Amino acid sequence: AQTVTQSQPEMSVQEAETVTLSCTYDTSESDYYLFWYKQPPSRQMILVIRQEAYKQQNATENRFSVNFQKAAKSFSLKISDSQLGDAAMYFCAYRSPTGANSKLTFGKGITLSVRP
Amino acid sequence: KAGVTQTPRYLIKTRGQQVTLSCSPISGHRSVSWYQQTPGQGLQFLFEYFSETQRNKGNFPGRFSGRQFSNSRSEMNVSTLELGDSALYLCASSLQDPGKTQYFGPGTRLLVL
Repeated sequence: AQTVTQSQPEMSVQEAETVTLSCTYDTSESDYYLFWYKQPPSRQMILVIRQEAYKQQNATENRFSVNFQKAAKSFSLKISDSQLGDAAMYFCAYRSPTGANSKLTFGKGITLSVRP
Repeated sequence: KAGVTQTPRYLIKTRGQQVTLSCSPISGHRSVSWYQQTPGQGLQFLFEYFSETQRNKGNFPGRFSGRQFSNSRSEMNVSTLELGDSALYLCASSLQDPGKTQYFGPGTRLLVL
């Protein structure tokens, strides 16, 4: 079974600075999908970024980018120019492309606070 | 397009009762998944439906069940509620391909007294 590990329960960043959130996963599959979701206090899960394992290029969405290291099974999220609205819980998630494992497997999440 | 909608948003029940939660996916999305979120266990997968068929199921007791209708709307039911069923229940929809992104609704917060 796939597992996702987020070892840092909390992180803090100064507004306008850059922060990196770590995530590792374990799988025996070669093809899969990785996601970062953001959950603000409203509890609405919002997609931040998605990465397809077969793509070498790291995904980027505006101020958000990932460092995807397939061999190391690492998938970190970098937030540049942090804003107060970035304060939230961030979840790393894995999804197998097929069959009985096509559910999202989430890490425990990391709470990010942004200092003004 | 309208997002995923879930009703009701908040619910208070007592032990032993049953509850039904509803989820309407994004228009055109035929896959609906349900997740339970608790402080202790985090986010756990309940089940996934596609074209009215359960495609995938998590490790929850049989008290948890679901179904999907022909218009892709889905319901989940919890019978004989226990205190530990208190949680945020999240519904997510996606296109057919399992690799497609799941988009989440606002959740239903269930409190069991």
